[in-house]
Amino acid sequence: ETGVTQTPRHLVMGMTNKKSLKCEQHLGHNAMYWYKQSAKKPLELMFVYNFKEQTENNSVPSRFSPECPNSSHLFLHLHTLQPEDSALYLCASSQDSGAAGPYEQYFGPGTRLTVT
Amino acid sequence: AQTVTQSQPEMSVQEAETVTLSCTYDTSENNYYLFWYKQPPSRQMILVIRQEAYKQQNATENRFSVNFQKAAKSFSLKISDSQLGDTAMYFCAFMDAPNSGNTPLVFGKGTRLSVIA
Repeated sequence: ETGVTQTPRHLVMGMTNKKSLKCEQHLGHNAMYWYKQSAKKPLELMFVYNFKEQTENNSVPSRFSPECPNSSHLFLHLHTLQPEDSALYLCASSQDSGAAGPYEQYFGPGTRLTVT
Repeated sequence: AQTVTQSQPEMSVQEAETVTLSCTYDTSENNYYLFWYKQPPSRQMILVIRQEAYKQQNATENRFSVNFQKAAKSFSLKISDSQLGDTAMYFCAFMDAPNSGNTPLVFGKGTRLSVIA
């Protein structure tokens, strides 16, 4: 596979469930991102990892727990979610910017999450 | 904090015609980057075009071009010879120029473009 992949593509979970979203990038990048896309709202950055280290946590509730075991994989662990957490969760990756300017972020297809 | 505003929630254009999507942003920074992303109905977001704020020349990519007005903080996207495959959500995004590492993208709410045959 090439690019950025996300599994599952669709997920329905109850508020007491625990589930995980998975993202994998096959591009040799060293930065990975989680975004939340809700209807009629801008994409919201949730977390950023550079070289497996979390460099950004955009005031995300603790019921969302990211994990980045290596530069190619990123997880989002979910527990005791609320119905308002229903959204499309997008993963992206890029090269680290450095002095060369920002590199393009490549996005995965997203996981459509519904919390019942 | 930077903000990005896309004032047109939905637009439509006839096939082969030209359409312009508007975007304005707010920042106190002098050096930054601007992007237009396209999200087709299949949901995979892809980069359409980018512009460095220090460059006066407007970026172009085939049928896509931008009108970057730095003083007005405006960054519109023009699509020429519209094709059915251009139907998608279009997001304008801003990125502050980093000293090191990555800085986050700030997105607008998007404009849903429909190309009509």
